[in-house]
Amino acid sequence: GQSLEQPSEVTAVEGAIVQINCTYQTSGFYGLSWYQQHDGGAPTFLSYNALDGLEETGRFSSFLSRSDSYGYLLLQELQMKDSASYFCAVRRTPLVFGKGTRLSVIA
Amino acid sequence: DGGITQSPKYLFRKEGQNVTLSCEQNLNHDAMYWYRQDPGQGLRLIYYSQIVNDFQKGDIAEGYSVSREKKESFPLTVTSAQKNPTAFYLCASTGGGLAGGIYIQYFGAGTRLSVL
Repeated sequence: GQSLEQPSEVTAVEGAIVQINCTYQTSGFYGLSWYQQHDGGAPTFLSYNALDGLEETGRFSSFLSRSDSYGYLLLQELQMKDSASYFCAVRRTPLVFGKGTRLSVIA
Repeated sequence: DGGITQSPKYLFRKEGQNVTLSCEQNLNHDAMYWYRQDPGQGLRLIYYSQIVNDFQKGDIAEGYSVSREKKESFPLTVTSAQKNPTAFYLCASTGGGLAGGIYIQYFGAGTRLSVL
């Protein structure tokens, strides 16, 4: 079967950098995605890694190591609006989501 | 604008009543999904469909039913057998499914279902 592990909660200070880790176990791997969900809203796609290495999109970066079955989402220059839940997901049919990490950004 | 439309935004169910949540997409995606989300929790898959006239149960299908008669539409019925239906329901579709290509799941804005 498939499973993903990520921390349930993370707190960080405005302007700082935070890393949200995700480890996965899956048969057949095609890629790791990250989604952001604000309270009361729908998840939105942030980033996707199919190959090892770092993908950068503005203040957000995502990293993948297939040999370690591990990835992370890096958020830089944290802003209050980054307070949300972040989900990693393994590309399968259907997509398999982790349980989410609730990020709280404090002043 | 392409996207996924869910309706209604809020829905109230009476005891013993079946209710249907609508999901329509104009993204030309083959695959569509229904998730349930309880407060502070992750996404739990109810049903999914990879093609018209075909669908599969997810992790929590009991008490729910779906149909996929058109590519654009994937309605979810919450039946009276679902004893605890209060939750946030999200519909999604997936595109860009080439191997190695970016694979993005798009979500509707959700329907919040409560029991009267």
